[in-house]
Amino acid sequence: GQQLNQSPQSMFIQEGEDVSMNCTSSSIFNTWLWYKQDPGEGPVLLIALYKAGELTSNGRLTAQFGITRKDSFLNISASIPSDVGIYFCAGSPGANSKLTFGKGITLSVRP
Amino acid sequence: GAVVSQHPSWVICKSGTSVKIECRSLDFQATTMFWYRQFPKQSLMLMATSNEGSKATYEQGVEKDKFLINHASLTLSTLTVTSAHPEDSSFYICSAFKQFGDTQYFGPGTRLTVL
Repeated sequence: GQQLNQSPQSMFIQEGEDVSMNCTSSSIFNTWLWYKQDPGEGPVLLIALYKAGELTSNGRLTAQFGITRKDSFLNISASIPSDVGIYFCAGSPGANSKLTFGKGITLSVRP
Repeated sequence: GAVVSQHPSWVICKSGTSVKIECRSLDFQATTMFWYRQFPKQSLMLMATSNEGSKATYEQGVEKDKFLINHASLTLSTLTVTSAHPEDSSFYICSAFKQFGDTQYFGPGTRLTVL
């Protein structure tokens, strides 16, 4: 089946640093999504990407939909303590289709 | 924004009992909702797709007779875990599409603990 690869499993950065997370797939997706999940909560949508090559920003977050449609990255600039959480990428073959999730990356930010 | 709620937020039950979890879209209508389960330190695994007015579509390996899904209205889907056992203890999360072509918005999740 389709799988999304996220690594490493955990990342540790200093407050104020930038961090980049990558997500790759063995299959093509037509929609890429990035979610953040805090402990005991549901995932919250950060950025949605719908077109290959698309670069989209949401505040300090920037994400890109890879040209090959098999990868995406999320960049967080000037990290702050509240950026701590689990970041999941998810892909979908099309509108209203079910999502495939990556395993997530746990981000820790040292003050 | 798109708000999805779940009730209850947590539940503890005895082995062998049934538990119902509700998922509501508060400010929009959702013809399609999804149910996921998430074990500690793991990713979300899709259990089933819930379609308003029709039978749910279950993912491979998910027992449809154990996890009953009802999507009777455009704003409510329910997941009933029947004859729950300790191995069913997990975090159950629902999601919904706000409109065609839009992305999925997730509920806050329900923590189920089966003793």
